[in-house]
Amino acid sequence: KNEVEQSPQNLTAQEGEFITINCSYSVGISALHWLQQHPGGGIVSLFMLSSGKKKHGRLIATINIQEKHSSLHITASHPRDSAVYICAVVSNFGNEKLTFGTGTRLTIIP
Amino acid sequence: SAVISQKPSRDICQRGTSLTIQCQVDSQVTMMFWYRQQPGQSLTLIATANQGSEATYESGFVIDKFPISRPNLTFSTLTVSNMSPEDSSIYLCSVSLGARTEAFFGQGTRLTVV
Repeated sequence: KNEVEQSPQNLTAQEGEFITINCSYSVGISALHWLQQHPGGGIVSLFMLSSGKKKHGRLIATINIQEKHSSLHITASHPRDSAVYICAVVSNFGNEKLTFGTGTRLTIIP
Repeated sequence: SAVISQKPSRDICQRGTSLTIQCQVDSQVTMMFWYRQQPGQSLTLIATANQGSEATYESGFVIDKFPISRPNLTFSTLTVSNMSPEDSSIYLCSVSLGARTEAFFGQGTRLTVV
């Protein structure tokens, strides 16, 4: 079993729909990251969470430390949101390396 | 924050040759990491590049295959040696400014070995 599990693996939705991507992890963590990867391969950091909820524009990320679960929401989705979304955790063992989920490929259809 | 310049962005290489990937950061950082992303897979940590000492490699990765240099706190290189088609992947460098700070990534190097 992977330390970080994401669901769904693939998601196709119509423009304007509300999107939810889930991430569950099995280790103790000091932080959780949501990342966005576009087809060229470059990765952009969307959020870093250690508790609660963060919002940036149409993106919202939440984390429940007790349940070891995080969600990424996209409101009013747009075709430019099409990308792979990756959840990654920093374990609380003291180093800063990331352990990645397998990613969710999101496609928004106009 | 940190801005990372990674190059080359892509390359096509003959098997048996080596490719060196460079990452330049616009500020001094302690922790720098090299990741591999094989086709259709998630990212896997190759090694942590340590300034002034040998890199720390993850299980399954060895220095002879992936030698890493870290001459100062703003620069690192990863070499993929004696390449085979199985080395075709995206390679990314990343830096951390602390365990509870944003992670920063280079643009990635898309390597194809033929």
